[in-house]
Amino acid sequence: QKEVEQDPGPLSVPEGAIVSLNCTYSNSAFQYFMWYRQYSRKGPELLMYTYSSGNKEDGRFTAQVDKSSKYISLFIRDSQPSDSATYLCAMGRSGSARQLTFGSGTQLTVLP
Amino acid sequence: DTAVSQTPKYLVTQMGNDKSIKCEQNLGHDTMYWYKQDSKKFLKIMFSYNNKELIINETVPNRFSPKSPDKAHLNLHINSLELGDSAVYFCASSQVGQGTEAFFGQGTRLTVV
Repeated sequence: QKEVEQDPGPLSVPEGAIVSLNCTYSNSAFQYFMWYRQYSRKGPELLMYTYSSGNKEDGRFTAQVDKSSKYISLFIRDSQPSDSATYLCAMGRSGSARQLTFGSGTQLTVLP
Repeated sequence: DTAVSQTPKYLVTQMGNDKSIKCEQNLGHDTMYWYKQDSKKFLKIMFSYNNKELIINETVPNRFSPKSPDKAHLNLHINSLELGDSAVYFCASSQVGQGTEAFFGQGTRLTVV
């Protein structure tokens, strides 16, 4: 079993829809949770960063972390064609390693 | 200004060759990383390095070695390239004390023929 599980999709939605992306994880040592967006043939770009349980909002994006369920989500409101990309969840733990463990990514297409 | 830059962007080479990928960051971060992304888009850590320690993912073959001439650079050397090494390699950096979020370069697409 992978440490981080993410539905690979593909997910296709009409413009303006609310998108929900999710990851589950098995390692309770994870304390930092991130969402990255990766356009085709580009590097991952940090979208959201949260520490421990709770919600964080940034514009059209909302990240939720539920440590008791080992479940994180990213919501995109009023989705746009420019949101079409692969979304990767990532998790990290305290300590000198500071390495991230990634989900496999969800490919999202927003249709105009 | 590019925060994390890698060169080359594309690299095509024959099996058995030795190659290097260069990475530079101008963010002032103290930790740098190399990640490998396979054809299914799965990103996996290879190395993390700061001036105090090198942490190597145990699954990485010893044909791969990171070399850091200074805090802003972390190059990746690969010896005796194999077909299975074909992938996209990403350099990243982060700052201790500011969480673990990492900032990535644009990637180097390595094709071994």
